[in-house]
Amino acid sequence: DTAVSQTPKYLVTQMGNDKSIKCEQNLGHDTMYWYKQDSKKFLKIMFSYNNKELIINETVPNRFSPKSPDKAHLNLHINSLELGDSAVYFCASSQGYKPLGQPQHFGDGTRLSIL
Amino acid sequence: ELKVEQNPLFLSMQEGKNYTIYCNYSTTSDRLYWYRQDPGKSLESLFVLLSNGAVKQEGRLMASLDTKARLSTLHITAAVHDLSATYFCAVDGPVASGSRLTFGEGTQLTVNP
Repeated sequence: DTAVSQTPKYLVTQMGNDKSIKCEQNLGHDTMYWYKQDSKKFLKIMFSYNNKELIINETVPNRFSPKSPDKAHLNLHINSLELGDSAVYFCASSQGYKPLGQPQHFGDGTRLSIL
Repeated sequence: ELKVEQNPLFLSMQEGKNYTIYCNYSTTSDRLYWYRQDPGKSLESLFVLLSNGAVKQEGRLMASLDTKARLSTLHITAAVHDLSATYFCAVDGPVASGSRLTFGEGTQLTVNP
């Protein structure tokens, strides 16, 4: 049983294209996140949603637009892809958006490569 | 702005040896997490430390938290090859701002036979 699943696992595309990554969790959590892991493995939060409401929006270019149709899904759409967008994007989920000690559960990541 | 620093960033050790990974953070927090990442894989939660003096152990790994020193340690006892992975510590931000993990740079551990 996959707890947090992301699709696609690999995404290779050209600069300037628009692409989407989907994330679904079956843990019953109400909060979901997007993280970006760069080539040096550094992880940084991008967005978080609680019950479809945007909670955290870090300083991410507005080419990145998250969308949460329900609390079990959080998608990430990226417009006009740039070379610097190449990274691994991780989706995560947890119960409750306040940091009260619930660990976040991560998906397997989407490896985005821009040609 | 919360900063989290780990050291060492790279650690090569022999099987059977002991070693400690350090995680320092810059602002007050009492919610610290350790994660493991295997190459090309997801992050697996190892430990959740929620108070000063908290100590958790699982197999050959033991994690501790000193909130006054803003320091967490991950101690490896009698390392085995299966422990080879990248280990991240992550600190959660102020309650009011919503959960936002700030990660350290990761410690890439290689255990050699």
